[in-house]
Amino acid sequence: AQSVAQPEDQVNVAEGNPLTVKCTYSVSGNPYLFWYVQYPNRGLQFLLKYITGDNLVKGSYGFEAEFNKSQTSFHLKKPSALVSDSALYFCAVTRRNAGNMLTFGGGTRLMVKP
Amino acid sequence: DGGITQSPKYLFRKEGQNVTLSCEQNLNHDAMYWYRQDPGQGLRLIYYSQIVNDFQKGDIAEGYSVSREKKESFPLTVTSAQKNPTAFYLCASSPLAGGPGELFFGEGSRLTVL
Repeated sequence: AQSVAQPEDQVNVAEGNPLTVKCTYSVSGNPYLFWYVQYPNRGLQFLLKYITGDNLVKGSYGFEAEFNKSQTSFHLKKPSALVSDSALYFCAVTRRNAGNMLTFGGGTRLMVKP
Repeated sequence: DGGITQSPKYLFRKEGQNVTLSCEQNLNHDAMYWYRQDPGQGLRLIYYSQIVNDFQKGDIAEGYSVSREKKESFPLTVTSAQKNPTAFYLCASSPLAGGPGELFFGEGSRLTVL
């Protein structure tokens, strides 16, 4: 079985400050990890993914995520938050040979205040 | 533009009625998925299909039915057997070739049972 935990329901950060949204996972074998963002009453949009290689993955809108195998984590980061980054963020995991059968975390609401 | 179209965006239903949610994609993707989203629970997989005329149950298929008669279309029927159907429903698609990749999501359909 595979699972994802997003321990924070909400993260508050001031505009211009760095942000981190936490994600830990459990999966058999090598993980494939994803981050998605959802704006109110909209579908999810892909931000970035880790498949293999460099542990630091860069994605859309200036976001990046760091894969840490020993801590089974894949935290989402951005050096300088924007008010427009305020949204719901989902971490997801799958494994080799599971195709695109993603398991999603419960989501973390990011609030960036001016 | 290529993408996934879900309709209707908002739907109200009386208890005991079946309702069908439409999902159409013009991305030429082989795989299509239906997810249910409830606050704080992330996304849960209802059904998925990797090829025309074939589909599999996800984690919460009870009370739902699907069909895949065309590659482009994957409608979801919420039947009267679904005990708690009020939710936000998301359709997604993905190519199967080339390894795990991101899912492409529609804008969602919000179903409210009165």
